[in-house]
Amino acid sequence: AQSVTQPDIHITVSEGASLELRCNYSYGATPYLFWYVQSPGQGLQLLLKYFSGDTLVQGIKGFEAEFKRSQSSFNLRKPSVHWSDAAEYFCAVALNTGGFKTIFGAGTRLFVKA
Amino acid sequence: EAEVAQSPRYKITEKSQAVAFWCDPISGHATLYWYRQILGQGPELLVQFQDESVVDDSQLPKDRFSAERLKGVDSTLKIQPAELGDSAMYLCASSLRGNYGYTFGSGTRLTVV
Repeated sequence: AQSVTQPDIHITVSEGASLELRCNYSYGATPYLFWYVQSPGQGLQLLLKYFSGDTLVQGIKGFEAEFKRSQSSFNLRKPSVHWSDAAEYFCAVALNTGGFKTIFGAGTRLFVKA
Repeated sequence: EAEVAQSPRYKITEKSQAVAFWCDPISGHATLYWYRQILGQGPELLVQFQDESVVDDSQLPKDRFSAERLKGVDSTLKIQPAELGDSAMYLCASSLRGNYGYTFGSGTRLTVV
C-alpha cells in the first residue's frame, strides 16, 4: 500500500542552525511530492512541490527539498532556521490512480530554541 | 492573495446533534477536498469533488457524514449524529484540475461533548 513516512515526530533546533526534515514514501512510480507547513490552529500552507525535472526544488520562506529516487525520499532543508519557523511540517504525495489522491505523512513538529 | 473560506472556525456540539461546515474554494478551482485532521496526525481525505461530482468518498463514514457541492462551487459537510470521536479539525482545500498543490482553508475545529 502507498504510504508516507516522516520518521521524526518532533525536532528541536537552535535559531540560526540548519534544518533537515525527513520524508520517505512507498509507491511503485514517482509520485508528485509536496511539503506543507501548519501553524497552530491554522490550515496547511504549501511550501514547495516536485513533479519532475531538477531534483532540488526551491520553495517559499527559504526552504528547499531534494528528491532522491534511489532512496524514495524527499527531505526538506533550510540553511538557517528562524524562530518563526516553529510549526508542524507535513510531507505529502499525490498518486495518479486515475484521479489524483494525496496522502499526508503524520507530520514533524519543529521547535526552535533561542 | 486568494483564500479558501471556511466557517465556522470553531464549533462545540453535543453528542447526537447535527453539525454542518461550509467551504468556499478559490474561484476557478474545480477540485475541492474535505480532510479530517485528528490532533497530532496528518490530514486524512474524507471526500473529493471534481466540479459538482464526488470522485472519491471511500473514507467518508456514510452512515453519519454527507457532503455536497451542488453548483460546483461552495460545499457543505454534514455530520448527523455527531459522536465523541468526531472531535477534530475539518479542513477544506481546493486545487486546479490535476493537483498542482492545494490551498487550504483555516479549518473548523469541532469539539463534541
